[in-house]
Order: sequence, then structure tokens, then C-alpha cells
Amino acid sequence: NAGVTQTPKFQVLKTGQSMTLQCAQDMNHNSMYWYRQDPGMGLRLIYYSASEGTTDKGEVPNGYNVSRLNKREFSLRLESAAPSQTSVYFCASSTRDRGPGYTFGSGTRLTVV
Amino acid sequence: GENVEQHPSTLSVQEGDSAVIKCTYSDSASNYFPWYKQELGKRPQLIIDIRSNVGEKKDQRIAVTLNKTAKHFSLHITETQPEDSAVYFCAASIGDSNYQLIWGAGTKLIIKP
Repeated sequence: NAGVTQTPKFQVLKTGQSMTLQCAQDMNHNSMYWYRQDPGMGLRLIYYSASEGTTDKGEVPNGYNVSRLNKREFSLRLESAAPSQTSVYFCASSTRDRGPGYTFGSGTRLTVV
Repeated sequence: GENVEQHPSTLSVQEGDSAVIKCTYSDSASNYFPWYKQELGKRPQLIIDIRSNVGEKKDQRIAVTLNKTAKHFSLHITETQPEDSAVYFCAASIGDSNYQLIWGAGTKLIIKP
């Protein structure tokens, strides 16, 4: 049972490049989330998907897009990367019945130069 | 907007002593309050959570207390051990949302041998 799997683990992009972060969970969770974590600022929600077929903006959605491909997979896309998007990105999932108690993926460390 | 304040930002305690981390939230409709532990370079992991209809919850050496009137909740760790060294994050649900949390900035707990 892998839990929440994120790829890649590390990535360096040049300003203006695009990329997609992949996330998959095998726990049959309904809800999935993308967070970014910057030093001293805790975790900030980028987008979430309450259930398959729905996505909603979180606290910091600008510069990102998401796709809930199916119940297992939730991807995050940076269309034109900027240095301000340098961060650690975490995907998470949760079961609605238990409230928003998350299981996190291992994270993607993204550097935009 | 809604926010969660977490104090202290760094806490250093002697091994075997107790540690207390406090959080204050602003949304009176919040009803779910989890605590996460994040070891260096690792993902955040849920260690304990509490709902608004409960004042205290314990799990072995950790406990969480909630004062809804004052809108604050605290994490208590007794008989601290070296493996307790980590960053601890509190969070509060945005209203009664099953999906969204707002996070504190984190407390770095250092256990001195």
C-alpha cells in the first residue's frame, strides 16, 4: 500500500518553462489537495478536489492549474514557471467522512532559476 | 481573512521534560483542529486531532486541549524524547469545511539530551 505517490521528487526549471507534477493515491480517498510549503510560512493550499470531477481554488492558485484525472490522480501544472514558484509542493488526500485529516505525499522540491 | 497563529516558533526543552505549543484561530465556525509533525526533509504526518465537541484528547504521550470560547488549542507532549525533535504544525478547518484547513507557521521543537 503506497499511500500518496508524487513525481518527480526534485526538479529545476528555467523561468518560463512549464511542467506537470503528478500525484496518485491508492487509498480510495475522495478528496485530494495540492499545497506549497515555503520556509517560515507553513503550508498554503493551491487547489483542491473534493471529489472526482470537481476542482476548486485554494489560498494561492495564481500561476497554477490542476486536473483531477480520475479518483486516484490529481495533477498540478505550472504553465510558465516563475522564481516565486520555487517551493516544496505536497500532494495530499483525505476521506471526507473523517474530516480533512490528510495523508501527504513525500513532496516535490522545485527550483525555478 | 481567517488565520491561525502558532507560538512559539522555536521551543527547546530538556529530554524528559514536557513541551507545550499553542495556537489561536480566528474563525469561530472552525470545528476541526489537527496537529502534524514534520521531520526534516519528510512529509507532514498527522499525530493527533480534535473536534469542537471535545475539550481534550490524549494519545499516549501527546494530548491536545481546545478552548472554543477563547479560540485556542494546544499540543502537549510529556516525557519528551529525542525522536520528538521536529517541526509541529497546527491547523484549523475553514468553517465547518470537510476540505480546507488553514495552517499555523510551525514550531521547531528541539529536544536537548
